[in-house]
Amino acid sequence: QLQLQESGPGLVKPSETLSLTCTVSAGSISSRSFYWGWIRQPPGKGLEWVGSFFYSGTTYYNPSLKSRVTISVDTSKNQFSLNLSSVTAADTAVYFCARHSEGPFDLWGQGALVTVSS
Amino acid sequence: QSALTQPASVSGSPGQSITISCTGTSSDIGYYNYVSWYHQHPGKAPKLMIYDVSIRPSGVSNRFSGSKSGNTASLTISGLQAEDEADYYCSSYTSGNTLVVFGGGTKLTVL
Repeated sequence: QLQLQESGPGLVKPSETLSLTCTVSAGSISSRSFYWGWIRQPPGKGLEWVGSFFYSGTTYYNPSLKSRVTISVDTSKNQFSLNLSSVTAADTAVYFCARHSEGPFDLWGQGALVTVSS
Repeated sequence: QSALTQPASVSGSPGQSITISCTGTSSDIGYYNYVSWYHQHPGKAPKLMIYDVSIRPSGVSNRFSGSKSGNTASLTISGLQAEDEADYYCSSYTSGNTLVVFGGGTKLTVL
């Protein structure tokens, strides 16, 4: 069963860059027809799509975050990463990585809480 | 403000049926049959309950059903059970550079 696991610092200082990595096991991120994405959820609030990449290499970002977000891929390690620059307290959230198609996000990581605070 | 609009809360008694609406636009729900529904228990990752408007993944109870009319999708849960109490989110594929949009979430309370 394919699994996803987020990892990275749980605390980031304001104005710095948030970096998270999603490791995919028991499956390949190079699989055709899938997107691999990041979704975040501020404490007590709803889900917000952050961005995704398609197996072909095309990346897509939430327009509200686009100027600060980069998603990169390391196929040799079966990992993909999220970088969010110039963070503020509003970026405090649980960050999920997930696999999806045009429709559903069918496989999710357990989530990683990232707090932005000095 | 979320791109898709859901009621903040709904409630029902055990055994009853409830419906959660999810309203979008002609660029997302109204154009694509790629509406999905998730439920999320506190501290857990969302779980896919319905995809492509009305298809249940393997293992999801047939008490859950989905539909769509125009720019509005709906999730119906019949025979409410205590374990159904959770937050429910809809999502849709969308046109343009925004690939996916989510609803703001609906808290279901089983009375």
